[in-house]
Amino acid sequence: AQTVTQSQPEMSVQEAETVTLSCTYDTSESDYYLFWYKQPPSRQMILVIRQEAYKQQNATENRFSVNFQKAAKSFSLKISDSQLGDAAMYFCAYKGYSTLTFGKGTMLLVSP
Amino acid sequence: DSGVTQTPKHLITATGQRVTLRCSPRSGDLSVYWYQQSLDQGLQFLIQYYNGEERAKGNILERFSAQQFPDLHSELNLSSLELGDSALYFCASSVGDVDKNIQYFGAGTRLSVL
Repeated sequence: AQTVTQSQPEMSVQEAETVTLSCTYDTSESDYYLFWYKQPPSRQMILVIRQEAYKQQNATENRFSVNFQKAAKSFSLKISDSQLGDAAMYFCAYKGYSTLTFGKGTMLLVSP
Repeated sequence: DSGVTQTPKHLITATGQRVTLRCSPRSGDLSVYWYQQSLDQGLQFLIQYYNGEERAKGNILERFSAQQFPDLHSELNLSSLELGDSALYFCASSVGDVDKNIQYFGAGTRLSVL
């Protein structure tokens, strides 16, 4: 079974600074997708970014980018120019041939 | 707004009772997924339906059941409720079946069992 590990229960960043959230996963599959979801205090699960495993180029969505290291099975999320609205729980997720598997989450705190 | 609608937003009930959670997927999506989010277990996949048929099953208790109707909305039925069933229940939808399409989540139903 696939597992997703987020080793940082909580991270802090100041406004306008950059922060990186870590995620590692374990799989024997060669074709899969990786996701970062954001869950703000409203509890809504919001897709932040998606990476296809067969693509070498790292995905980017505005201030959000990933560092996908397939051999190391690592998928970190970089948030640039952090804003107060980025404060949320961030979940890394894996989707192969089976179901979507989530990590335990990293709580991101953003201070003015 | 993800386009996935869940009702009700909050549900308070007593142990031993039965409740039904409802989900309407995004227009055009054929797959519906149910997840449970609790403090101790995190986000766990419960069950998936695709175009009315059960497609995948996760850590769903026997006391729980789901179905997807011809209009593609889905209901999750929770019976003989226990205190430990208190959690946030999410519904998500996607276009396809076993593909890697993005799952869009609803706002969730907060269930409190007293």
